[in-house]
Amino acid sequence: DAGVIQSPRHEVTEMGQEVTLRCKPISGHDYLFWYRQTMMRGLELLIYFNNNVPIDDSGMPEDRFSAKMPNASFSTLKIQPSEPRDSAVYFCASRFTAGNTIYFGEGSWLTVV
Amino acid sequence: GDSVTQMEGPVTLSEEAFLTINCTYTATGYPSLFWYVQYPGEGLQLLLKATKADDKGSNKGFEATYRKETTSFHLEKGSVQVSDSAVYFCALTPNTGNQFYFGTGTSLTVIP
Repeated sequence: DAGVIQSPRHEVTEMGQEVTLRCKPISGHDYLFWYRQTMMRGLELLIYFNNNVPIDDSGMPEDRFSAKMPNASFSTLKIQPSEPRDSAVYFCASRFTAGNTIYFGEGSWLTVV
Repeated sequence: GDSVTQMEGPVTLSEEAFLTINCTYTATGYPSLFWYVQYPGEGLQLLLKATKADDKGSNKGFEATYRKETTSFHLEKGSVQVSDSAVYFCALTPNTGNQFYFGTGTSLTVIP
């Protein structure tokens, strides 16, 4: 079975540009999570969805960040405008309600110059 | 609130040495406990888990026992290999609620 699929794997962009990160969760999973990982702050939960509905977005750093889940098989995390301090690895993860293991994608490595 | 505290690194060991990475947790009720591993340039992968007190999770020679009396879930391996070099994360999910709580990660380097 395919795991959580993220794209792009690597992105380098200039400050001020819009960045869109994409995620396809594991089929049948009804929870989707977006995390950010940096050396300074470790792994931070940004937002999570249940059945495509955002449940907790308290970790979203500021209004420049937005996330959507238009259907059960696709989610996006958008940063507009991007800033150098947004440089990080962004992970998408999913889980199924009845099980309790969370599965991560390979991550999107973002560099804002 | 629920949280996980794990031993700070980095940890450097020689090949075939014994490994312990400490993890303690704070949670109400009976959470499920996990160890995840992150190899360089990759995402986090489930290493092992335990869902109730006294359960032992094991995988790839790693073990951890869910100790409710000490609220701990320490990771151990009897003989580490160079290929075990990675960052290890302890995590919990409450028996009610849907979030995962991760520790800060412990970097392990195994030298030949």
